[in-house]
Amino acid sequence: GAVVSQHPSWVICKSGTSVKIECRSLDFQATTMFWYRQFPKQSLMLMATSNEGSKATYEQGVEKDKFLINHASLTLSTLTVTSAHPEDSSFYICSVTKAVQSYEQYFGPGTRLTVT
Amino acid sequence: AQKITQTQPGMFVQEKEAVTLDCTYDTSDPSYGLFWYKQPSSGEMIFLIYQGSYDQQNATEGRYSLNFQKARKSANLVISASQLGDSAMYFCAMRDAQLTGGFKTIFGAGTRLFVKA
Repeated sequence: GAVVSQHPSWVICKSGTSVKIECRSLDFQATTMFWYRQFPKQSLMLMATSNEGSKATYEQGVEKDKFLINHASLTLSTLTVTSAHPEDSSFYICSVTKAVQSYEQYFGPGTRLTVT
Repeated sequence: AQKITQTQPGMFVQEKEAVTLDCTYDTSDPSYGLFWYKQPSSGEMIFLIYQGSYDQQNATEGRYSLNFQKARKSANLVISASQLGDSAMYFCAMRDAQLTGGFKTIFGAGTRLFVKA
């Protein structure tokens, strides 16, 4: 069965609004979650690393004030795209790891965001 | 610095034949993991195979095998007996430790595989 879930699976929002995407680890407590974005026909780009109970670590070039990440519990991380613009339209994928030292990484099914 | 390179944007293979998807990498960390993922049109990332940098043997998982050549820093994926359902995007990825103490995974640009009947 699925190890990681994301909600919603797809969302359409108007320019200027904010949208929240949830990532849940279903089978285990995930101390670390990762958020990726994928433009059409391109590779996955790591946006940020989310650690439970602490601030997320953002990759260079990712606006932390625009992409708010909250890792509220060991099974839930949220990504909020604030003041969304059409260029934020993308496929957002989260992944989780079982332990800090583990190489195993489980991906969510992704959330397709379209900003009109 | 971390780097993953997939030089084949697209590949064609005849059904039931084997195909090799290329991947080269670069890292300064002696301990790292190499992964291959399949992404069908539905978008989900499907884990295929994993190779640890210290593993002596090449990883195999069913029809998938990883041709790990450490000195050349290559980790090619071999799919034997291709099936029509293998048509998808394939990503090579590498995960290694960061100076900050965490781990980071980066992905190659991907190779789109087309299996012909």
